[in-house]
Amino acid sequence: QVQLQESGPGLVQPSETLSLTCSVSGDSINRGGFYWSWFRQPPGQGLEWIGYFYDSADTKYNLSFNNRVTILVDTSRSRFSLKLTSVTAADTAVYYCARGVGTVTMPYNYGVGVWGQGTTVTVSS
Amino acid sequence: DIQMTQSPSSLSASVGDTVTITCRASQFISIYLNWYQQKPGRAPRLLIYAASKLEGGVPSRFSGSGSGTDFGLTISGLQPEDFATYYCQQAYTIQSFGGGTKVETK
Repeated sequence: QVQLQESGPGLVQPSETLSLTCSVSGDSINRGGFYWSWFRQPPGQGLEWIGYFYDSADTKYNLSFNNRVTILVDTSRSRFSLKLTSVTAADTAVYYCARGVGTVTMPYNYGVGVWGQGTTVTVSS
Repeated sequence: DIQMTQSPSSLSASVGDTVTITCRASQFISIYLNWYQQKPGRAPRLLIYAASKLEGGVPSRFSGSGSGTDFGLTISGLQPEDFATYYCQQAYTIQSFGGGTKVETK
């Protein structure tokens, strides 16, 4: 059974880079048809999509992040990472890694069926 | 971008009630609508995909309906473990979530 686990610092200084890793077990992140994704949820708010990678190379990001997002893949270690630059207090949130299932044109048409437990990141000095 | 509007934003119900949550897309999304349940401190759980298809392991009291721009999630016979927040997500153009509906105990 596939499992995802986020890890990384819980506190990040304003203007610095937030870096998180998602470790995947029970599945290969090389398999096609899966969209290995990052989402986040600010305190008391709804869910926000950050981006995904597909097929170990293709990535797509939410444009609302103004080019601050990079998702990197380490297939040898079966993990992928999120880097979010120039963070502010507005980036304080629970960050989730997840696996969506879909097609190239509709990457989540079968939904996001597997999620990590989430990790809380606070941006503060 | 496709905007997703859920209503109501919250509702109060009792165990055994049937509740329906609606989700409206700002443009046509065919059947590409997913529903999630989220409990406090937990990750979302996929309930329904493609508007009406039940994810494996999800109780049959959950059902989804709709196509085009208007969708619904119905819980028939609310159980204590169903008190949670529910989100819709369109999957027609990348994705976007609705604002959530909190189902509270009356």
